[in-house]
Amino acid sequence: DGGITQSPKYLFRKEGQNVTLSCEQNLNHDAMYWYRQDPGQGLRLIYYSQIVNDFQKGDIAEGYSVSREKKESFPLTVTSAQKNPTAFYLCASTLTRGSTEAFFGQGTRLTVV
Amino acid sequence: AQKVTQAQTEISVVEKEDVTLDCVYETRDTTYYLFWYKQPPSGELVFLIRRNSFDEQNEISGRYSWNFQKSTSSFNFTITASQVVDSAVYFCALSQGSRGGSEKLVFGKGTKLTVNP
Repeated sequence: DGGITQSPKYLFRKEGQNVTLSCEQNLNHDAMYWYRQDPGQGLRLIYYSQIVNDFQKGDIAEGYSVSREKKESFPLTVTSAQKNPTAFYLCASTLTRGSTEAFFGQGTRLTVV
Repeated sequence: AQKVTQAQTEISVVEKEDVTLDCVYETRDTTYYLFWYKQPPSGELVFLIRRNSFDEQNEISGRYSWNFQKSTSSFNFTITASQVVDSAVYFCALSQGSRGGSEKLVFGKGTKLTVNP
């Protein structure tokens, strides 16, 4: 079945450590996105990529980094510079920029301990 | 600046009741797109509908209906004869992209709907 796979589902990190969240899609979508969701909050865009080897900052990119070396993969690294990384992270993809529907993964819940 | 407000944080209803989720938006763009997404307990967001700013026709899909009113900048969502499976968090969103895609979506804070048997 086609879809977006995020791993791991739960992730614990010690303060000061970098951690990478995985996002893989087999939908042959061009565009991919990372959102952050905090309790009682909407989703906020971290980074997005419309084509391979290109990505753009979203509204809250500070403390995060991404890469897009392959069309199907868009990993997100939460660096030690991110002051409050504990959150729920959602990856999404769309067929092209301007597509109607975004498909979302099931998310990764990151907790800093 | 673009903004989406969902004033209802949580709503609780009894099965078979009708329920309306409110969404008010702010934008200076003349062309924009509005979305509703459902987030069940499993976590992923499920697309429900997209509406562009030039189409104010109301839409009905089964038990779901949407009322778009530019005059009041509202895009409300009604579930008729609610069911327990409708329990989820519902997000209204506004597209910043001129082509109406889902990129750069501005989300409201969501409304948690609980449907009790």
